[in-house]
Amino acid sequence: EADIYQTPRYLVIGTGKKITLECSQTMGHDKMYWYQQDPGMELHLIHYSYGVNSTEKGDLSSESTVSRIRTEHFPLTLESARPSHTSQYLCASSDGGLRNTIYFGEGSWLTVV
Amino acid sequence: GQQVMQIPQYQHVQEGEDFTTYCNSSTTLSNIQWYKQRPGGHPVFLIQLVKSGEVKKQKRLTFQFGEAKKNSSLHITATQTTDVGTYFCFGSGGGADGLTFGKGTHLIIQP
Repeated sequence: EADIYQTPRYLVIGTGKKITLECSQTMGHDKMYWYQQDPGMELHLIHYSYGVNSTEKGDLSSESTVSRIRTEHFPLTLESARPSHTSQYLCASSDGGLRNTIYFGEGSWLTVV
Repeated sequence: GQQVMQIPQYQHVQEGEDFTTYCNSSTTLSNIQWYKQRPGGHPVFLIQLVKSGEVKKQKRLTFQFGEAKKNSSLHITATQTTDVGTYFCFGSGGGADGLTFGKGTHLIIQP
């Protein structure tokens, strides 16, 4: 199994609160990703990074922000949570080589009330 | 980014029946990967296909990459309840941005 970790796994917070979802990987992968997925639905790419100090927005417009100060760490922050942010957030990484297998964390389930 | 199109969106089968899901791209891909996501879980890598016409097998699962490297299929023989989940394809190269998954095929098995 892959060495990519997400915390918290489950979180219920109030509207307007600031939240940071943590993601760390110990594989030394340069590429990291955040996907948003509602139950039973497709994976939406919201942010990605190709290395330290590199971050890009994905296809799905998101009010979240990310940072990549260290290779192993790719946190996602919501400055002011809203009920529409309720979803599962999946962090992933890949080595970007020929194989480029994507390894996912177990996900963070966020509920905004 | 451009993504591969995946069909069907849902597939109901009786346990023991076969199942097939298809991915199609309008442009030639460098490679295609398949992932499985169990209900409540996260996607897990199954296999990667790189060569034109490539066929790979994993027990009851057979993966194919088309000759033109624009389409791929995943076939499960004699489905079991453990096969339940969503199967995603992921294309890289050509028009695929190597970032976007197909919409997935949900496999529902009726005992």
